[in-house]
Amino acid sequence: DTGVSQNPRHKITKRGQNVTFRCDPISEHNRLYWYRQTLGQGPEFLTYFQNEAQLEKSRLLSDRFSAERPKGSFSTLEIQRTEQGDSAMYLCASSLNRNTGELFFGEGSRLTVL
Amino acid sequence: GENVEQHPSTLSVQEGDSAVIKCTYSDSASNYFPWYKQELGKGPQLIIDIRSNVGEKKDQRIAVTLNKTAKHFSLHITETQPEDSAVYFCAPGGGFGNEKLTFGTGTRLTIIP
Repeated sequence: DTGVSQNPRHKITKRGQNVTFRCDPISEHNRLYWYRQTLGQGPEFLTYFQNEAQLEKSRLLSDRFSAERPKGSFSTLEIQRTEQGDSAMYLCASSLNRNTGELFFGEGSRLTVL
Repeated sequence: GENVEQHPSTLSVQEGDSAVIKCTYSDSASNYFPWYKQELGKGPQLIIDIRSNVGEKKDQRIAVTLNKTAKHFSLHITETQPEDSAVYFCAPGGGFGNEKLTFGTGTRLTIIP
C-alpha cells in the first residue's frame, strides 16, 4: 500500500496525558499537512511542512500541540496535557511540491479523551 | 483567513436525479477550487478540482463550475447512484503565501434508491 499511513488509528486516553500520532506520507511527496476534524465539521487546518521545515501553523493551535518532521519523511503530532476538547479525528495529508494541488489523506487517528 | 460556506448542509435526491452543492469563499486571492468526498471512516478524497483560469470542468458524471467574480463554485453530480452517498467538502485555497486548503462544513448527500 503506497498511500498515506497513520498510526495509531484509535487512541483513548485520560485527561492530562500526552499522546503522539505518526504519519507516513506518500514517499515522493514533499508537503505534509495535519488537519483536525470533529463530528459534523470539515477538516480544520493545523500545520504544514515542506520537507522538514514547518512553514505554517494555525493561530488557533494551542501551545500544547507540537508537530515535527525531522528528516522530511514521516511526521509526528504530539498533544501534551490532553483535554476533553481535543477529542477529534486527526488527519494527515501529503502532496507534491508544486502549485497548490491535490491532498492525499490518510484514514486518520481518532482521539478520545476521557 | 478564508471564510468558506457550503449549501445545503444536507441533500437527499432520488437515484438518477442530479445534485448541486454550492460553495462560497471570501479570499479573492484563492486560485484553486477542489471538491472532496468523504465516506464513513475514511479520509477525504479529491473528486474534481478547477483552477481560477477555467470556468468549468467535467469528468464523466461530475462537474465543477467557478464564478470567481462572485466568489463561489459549485459541484454538479448527474445521474446519481447509491455510491454517491457521502459527505462532500469544498476546500478553496492556493494563492500567494497560502498553501493550505480551507474546508467547508460539508454537505451530506443521500441518494434514495
